[in-house]
Parts: sequence; structure tokens; C-alpha cells
Amino acid sequence: DTAVSQTPKYLVTQMGNDKSIKCEQNLGHDTMYWYKQDSKKFLKIMFSYNNKELIINETVPNRFSPKSPDKAHLNLHINSLELGDSAVYFCASSHRGGGYQPQHFGDGTRLSIL
Amino acid sequence: AQSVTQPDIHITVSEGASLELRCNYSYGATPYLFWYVQSPGQGLQLLLKYFSGDTLVQGIKGFEAEFKRSQSSFNLRKPSVHWSDAAEYFCAVGVENNDMRFGAGTRLTVKP
Repeated sequence: DTAVSQTPKYLVTQMGNDKSIKCEQNLGHDTMYWYKQDSKKFLKIMFSYNNKELIINETVPNRFSPKSPDKAHLNLHINSLELGDSAVYFCASSHRGGGYQPQHFGDGTRLSIL
Repeated sequence: AQSVTQPDIHITVSEGASLELRCNYSYGATPYLFWYVQSPGQGLQLLLKYFSGDTLVQGIKGFEAEFKRSQSSFNLRKPSVHWSDAAEYFCAVGVENNDMRFGAGTRLTVKP
């Protein structure tokens, strides 16, 4: 019954590794997002997709690559992980017109880089 | 540029006391405004939203917020706080092109 689910919930890895975070929503939404929340709880949008099409691509390193195989899934792949990538990453979804629509969030993936 | 300011980083209230969390926004057009709550280890949950119409909006868990265009504010209120309300609260403004800008959050601590 989970509306927006992310896996894994925790991810601990070494600097330089490549990792992926998966996100799925069963709400029938057209739009999905990735956010990064830093240690001070500041929430910043990274990417947004409308029905598999990239709409927002904020200034994030190109080591971060989103992939949307269908409108219910938006995965985040990160290459060459760095210490500064440690954060909580949230996936969210909404109906189209996302800036004006309430967003539904997953429970987050806590990424820790050793 | 669109932005949201939450002036209070941390607020402590006693259980049963009233609560007001402040939010100011900067946006040229009519804003779409939201309040979200984040409990520890959880994602954000929508409390309420304002699009148009009545400037006093009711949300879940007994929360309400009032839109004041003249003050560019959208403050969140609750008449009587419960210990379970302890969480991080985020104000957000929805803008065009799928974008939503969040404030820095206000952490609420509830004293017994």
C-alpha cells in the first residue's frame, strides 16, 4: 500500500563507488522528483520528470544521472561517490503541473560515504 | 526569484499550548503555498495547501494556516499542541515548471 517507496533505506559505501537508489510510486502520478536533504535539513530539488521526460535538472554534478523507465519509476544513479554526497535523498511524485500540485514523498534514502 | 523564509529555526512549546510557525514568501504572481511536516526518519507529509479563495485553510491533524498577501505570509497555527506534533515543519511555494521551493524548516520541540 506504500504510495512512494524508495530502496534502499540506508546506503553506506566507500568514496569512489557507484550506487543506485530506486523509487516507485503507485499513485498514478505523471511527475516524479529527486530531492537532496543535507544535514541542516535543507531540501533542494535535483531533478523532475514528467512522464519520463526530464523537466528540471538543477545544478548537480553530472555524476548524478536519473533514469525513468516508465512514469511510475524514477531511479537515481550516482558515479564516483564523494564525501559531500552524504545526505538523505527523497523521491516524490505528483500530478502533472507539479509546482502547483501537492507532492507525495518517500521515506528517504540515507546515504553515508566513508 | 521565488523564495521562502522560515525565520525560526527551532521553537519549543509546552504541550497544550498554542503554536504559530512563521513563513514568508517572495513570488511575483499568486503563490501556491504548502505546509509539510517531517517526522524523524520519515518523508514529508502534506499538512495543508492554499491556492485561492478563503485565506484561512484547514489541514490535517488540527492545523490551519492563514494567507496574508499584504504581509507575504502564510503562517501555520494550532490551538493546542500534542507531544506527537514534535517534528520538522516546512513551508513551500509552488512555482511554474514543476518546481517547488522549500523553506529551511522549523524544528518543533514539545515540552511535557
